[in-house]
Amino acid sequence: EDQVTQSPEALRLQEGESSSLNCSYTVSGLRGLFWYRQDPGKGPEFLFTLYSAGEEKEKERLKATLTKKESFLHITAPKPEDSATYLCAVQATGNQFYFGTGTSLTVIP
Amino acid sequence: DTGVSQDPRHKITKRGQNVTFRCDPISEHNRLYWYRQTLGQGPEFLTYFQNEAQLEKSRLLSDRFSAERPKGSFSTLEIQRTEQGDSAMYLCASSFPPGETQYFGPGTRLLVL
Repeated sequence: EDQVTQSPEALRLQEGESSSLNCSYTVSGLRGLFWYRQDPGKGPEFLFTLYSAGEEKEKERLKATLTKKESFLHITAPKPEDSATYLCAVQATGNQFYFGTGTSLTVIP
Repeated sequence: DTGVSQDPRHKITKRGQNVTFRCDPISEHNRLYWYRQTLGQGPEFLTYFQNEAQLEKSRLLSDRFSAERPKGSFSTLEIQRTEQGDSAMYLCASSFPPGETQYFGPGTRLLVL
């Protein structure tokens, strides 16, 4: 069965303290892995798409990487405005996205 | 802004009533998805359209739920005889091939009393 697991569930960082979020997956035939940011009461906001192992994408303080079993979202020198829930989703052979439960990130000034 | 829009943003209803939500996708996107999200969980797939054809439905979608996309543009999601367990955020997303990235709307938050 296709499955996505994110860890940790929650993460508190001091401003400037870099860290990584993990998304591990078991799917048959990965077509893509997607990272989203979600603020409370809002819809998910697209961040990155990764298609193959070894691929990396960067945007401002965020960098996403992909291996055959997991993806990492690295946050470098985070700021309080980076506080949000970060969701990982995978697309297998169909058109469905399977989402993890997210990592709730809090960055303390 | 030509992103995905959803209406209404909030809906409070009494148990047993019917509700209908609307989603307007990004104009050139021919794929449209509905998801449900409860507190502390990731979005859960409900159904998917390509143009006006409903191609996939989740096993979790009970007979009380129905979705349409009559002209391949906007879509509606109707819930009949609402139950308290239907309280959730209902999200709509759209995409356009060959890219698979789904872009989400702001969601409709439903509370069933």
